[in-house]
Amino acid sequence: EPEVTQTPSHQVTQMGQEVILRCVPISNHLYFYWYRQILGQKVEFLVSFYNNEISEKSEIFDDQFSVERPDGSNFTLKIRSTKLEDSAMYFCASSEAGGGENYGYTFGSGTRLTVV
Amino acid sequence: DQQVKQNSPSLSVQEGRISILNCDYTNSMFDYFLWYKKYPAEGPTFLISISSIKDKNEDGRFTVFLNKSAKHLSLHIVPSQPGDSAVYFCAASAFTQGAQKLVFGQGTRLTINP
Repeated sequence: EPEVTQTPSHQVTQMGQEVILRCVPISNHLYFYWYRQILGQKVEFLVSFYNNEISEKSEIFDDQFSVERPDGSNFTLKIRSTKLEDSAMYFCASSEAGGGENYGYTFGSGTRLTVV
Repeated sequence: DQQVKQNSPSLSVQEGRISILNCDYTNSMFDYFLWYKKYPAEGPTFLISISSIKDKNEDGRFTVFLNKSAKHLSLHIVPSQPGDSAVYFCAASAFTQGAQKLVFGQGTRLTINP
């Protein structure tokens, strides 16, 4: 079964450092997303990306965050200057289409980011 | 922002019995509802979804019921199996701006006892 692949599985970084979280979405999917889950809290939407541009972003996704699809396969989330409160599990997801009941919205296994 | 709520943080069910997980929502613009299962250190795994124009969708042991007037949906698992023990998230989406953003509930931890 096709998978969304995320690397690394765990990243530890010092406060103020830049981090890049990487994702390889399912190859025929057109829509890409980042979500995060702070320990003990719900999964929260960060950003959606389609046709090489951001479709929608949440209030969490401020100027410190950026996304990029640098080639035909990778989708990255960059946090420019990490803060302690950025510590969370970050999930990448992709979907075939923007709507419809069976659009195959699939999540990766996540990257656990720990800011120290 | 509590647009999607799962009021039961945990549920314990005996193996072979029915598990019923509940979810409430407030936004009438939601057009699809999904259930995801999540194990620790893994991403959410899609289980089943339902369009807002339906009231029931069934897939094997999993059935989702939608009551639009009550803004309530439920996931029924029957019979429950030990491998069903996980955290279950309800999610809702509204098609906006070209992509389908999901809004998640807080999750319900389901434990199936032998």
